[in-house]
Amino acid sequence: GQNIDQPTEMTATEGAIVQINCTYQTSGFNGLFWYQQHAGEAPTFLSYNVLDGLEEKGRFSSFLSRSKGYSYLLLKELQMKDSASYLCAVMDSNYQLIWGAGTKLIIKP
Amino acid sequence: IAGITQAPTSQILAAGRRMTLRCTQDMRHNAMYWYRQDLGLGLRLIHYSNTAGTTGKGEVPDGYSVSRANTDDFPLTLASAVPSQTSVYFCASSEGLAGDNEQFFGPGTRLTVL
Repeated sequence: GQNIDQPTEMTATEGAIVQINCTYQTSGFNGLFWYQQHAGEAPTFLSYNVLDGLEEKGRFSSFLSRSKGYSYLLLKELQMKDSASYLCAVMDSNYQLIWGAGTKLIIKP
Repeated sequence: IAGITQAPTSQILAAGRRMTLRCTQDMRHNAMYWYRQDLGLGLRLIHYSNTAGTTGKGEVPDGYSVSRANTDDFPLTLASAVPSQTSVYFCASSEGLAGDNEQFFGPGTRLTVL
């Protein structure tokens, strides 16, 4: 079966750095997405990786290793507004997104 | 309209009733999707449409139907609602199916079936 695993919840301090891991097993691979979802709101796109390596976008970076079925999202200089759930999703061979349950990130002052 | 809209925002429904959730996008995206989101689970695909006039089944299609008469609209119908269909429903769209096409999400519909 297809499976996406990520931690349920993480806590970090304002101004610090946090890394959210995602491991996956899917039928085929056409890219990995990270989305941010604030409580009660819709998911919004953060990043897309299809090749191995690191993609940097401001305070957020995303890494992919296809051979290991592994990705992480790195958030730097954490702000209170970064408190949200972070969703990892893999596009399978049918071009459908398989979603993890999300990691709830709690930022403490 | 800017992006994707969904209606209603929330609804309480008696079991056995028929309900249509509406979704409209103004981005001229070819692909549209319906997901449900339940606590502790990832988003699950109900139905999708690659282009106007075509639809396909996702991971959890039973009890739901969709239509795609034009590019902009993608309604989701529950023919006879059951309590297990209590969930938050998100509509999404993307330019196409290719891997780098991010999906844009509507604000969601919170549905409670009693």
